[in-house]
Amino acid sequence: AQKITQTQPGMFVQEKEAVTLDCTYDTSDPSYGLFWYKQPSSGEMIFLIYQGSYDQQNATEGRYSLNFQKARKSANLVISASQLGDSAMYFCAMREDSNTGTASKLTFGTGTRLQVTL
Amino acid sequence: NAGVTQTPKFQVLKTGQSMTLQCAQDMNHNSMYWYRQDPGMGLRLIYYSASEGTTDKGEVPNGYNVSRLNKREFSLRLESAAPSQTSVYFCASSEWRGGELFFGEGSRLTVL
Repeated sequence: AQKITQTQPGMFVQEKEAVTLDCTYDTSDPSYGLFWYKQPSSGEMIFLIYQGSYDQQNATEGRYSLNFQKARKSANLVISASQLGDSAMYFCAMREDSNTGTASKLTFGTGTRLQVTL
Repeated sequence: NAGVTQTPKFQVLKTGQSMTLQCAQDMNHNSMYWYRQDPGMGLRLIYYSASEGTTDKGEVPNGYNVSRLNKREFSLRLESAAPSQTSVYFCASSEWRGGELFFGEGSRLTVL
C-alpha cells in the first residue's frame, strides 16, 4: 500500500481564492510527522509546513494551513488567497519515527500540480 | 548563505560510464540524504547518512554507492550508469531527528 497518497494530479484555482490539496497517509506508527513541500518550475524543493502526530492544533504558516484529521489519516494543505506565484508542484511527505533513528527519512507522495489563474 | 550545494547541475553519460554527484552543506547538519525524482513517482530515497561515519540504504539503493566524507559532504556514485538511472537527483540535509529536510537545487542526469 502507498504510504502517502495524493489523488489530485492537477488542480486549478483562481487568484485570491482558497484551495485544498489532498493528502492521505498510511502508517501504524503512533509517532510520525507530516510535511508539505512546494516545487516551482525552477525545480527547488521548498519546505512549507509541518504537523506532528501528537500536535493538538492544526499547523499554520502564513497563508498555509494543514487540515490534520488523524482518525481519517489525512493531512490536507490549505492555501488561502492564492497568488500566481503559488503555481507549482506540491508534495506531501511523512516521517515515521519508529524507523528513522536519528535521521529524518521522508516518504513522499506523487505530488499535485497547482495552477493559479487570473 | 549557500545551504546545500550539489554539483554538477547537469550531466549526460553513456551507458556503463561512472560518475559521482557531490553534495555539501554549510548548516552544520548531522543527517544527509540522496533522493531521486522521476515523473509521476515523487521523490524516492536512495541512501542516507544519519551522522558522520554512518550510511544506510533507502528505498532504491541498487546501482548506487555513497560516501559520507565528513560532516559537510555526502557523495553519490554511479559505478556503471544505466538508462534507468536517468533522473533528477536531490541532496538534502536535516539538523535534528524529525526536522524538515533542506534540499539542494537538484542535478539532472541523463544516461544514453
